[in-house]
Amino acid sequence: EVQLVQSGAEVKKPGESLKISCKGSEYSFTSYWIGWVRQMPGKGLEWMGIIYPGDSDTRYSPSFQGQVTISADKSISTAYLQWSSLKASDTAIYYCARRSGNAGDYWGQGTLVTVSS
Amino acid sequence: IQLTQSPSSLSASVGDRVTITCRASQGISSYLAWYQQKPGKAPKLLIYAASTLQSGVPSRFSGSGSGTDFTLTISSLQPEDFATYYCQHLNSYPPWTFGQGTKVEIK
Repeated sequence: EVQLVQSGAEVKKPGESLKISCKGSEYSFTSYWIGWVRQMPGKGLEWMGIIYPGDSDTRYSPSFQGQVTISADKSISTAYLQWSSLKASDTAIYYCARRSGNAGDYWGQGTLVTVSS
Repeated sequence: IQLTQSPSSLSASVGDRVTITCRASQGISSYLAWYQQKPGKAPKLLIYAASTLQSGVPSRFSGSGSGTDFTLTISSLQPEDFATYYCQHLNSYPPWTFGQGTKVEIK
């Protein structure tokens, strides 16, 4: 069964860096786009960006361009979302999702990131 | 491309027919998906390509529309359907934005 397993919850201070992960299994990791979605506390879903692990082609939402970096290591079937300097407003749950055709068909369980001094 | 869902929330009873709409700010052909999200859980794909039911999703869910106007219909609301529903467009170029969500609550 296709699975996306995300790294565990993180508690960080403002200004710190962070890299969270999303490991795919039971499918050809290099053949599907992997996207990242933010959900702030009590709010809706926001599309952040997406990567094609096969060639590392990456696209960002204008709202997140320059704020985060999306990458992938196809040798270990893992996609990443990273921040160089976290802000309190980055507190949210972050989901990865596989794009198949024209939808996100499989989703990770989510990673809660809390940024607080 | 902006997606506007209506209503933002609704109250309904078990057995009711429920319709949620999603309007795109420009034409997106049939590049629209619907998701269900329950509290504390990841979103779950219900419908893609505007009207194709994802494998394993009950047939009481259906989607329709193309261009700018889309609907998600639950023909007979079940207790497990109380959740928040989101549309998302996946037209040619990103960002592939979501609607703001519709919360379906128990009346």
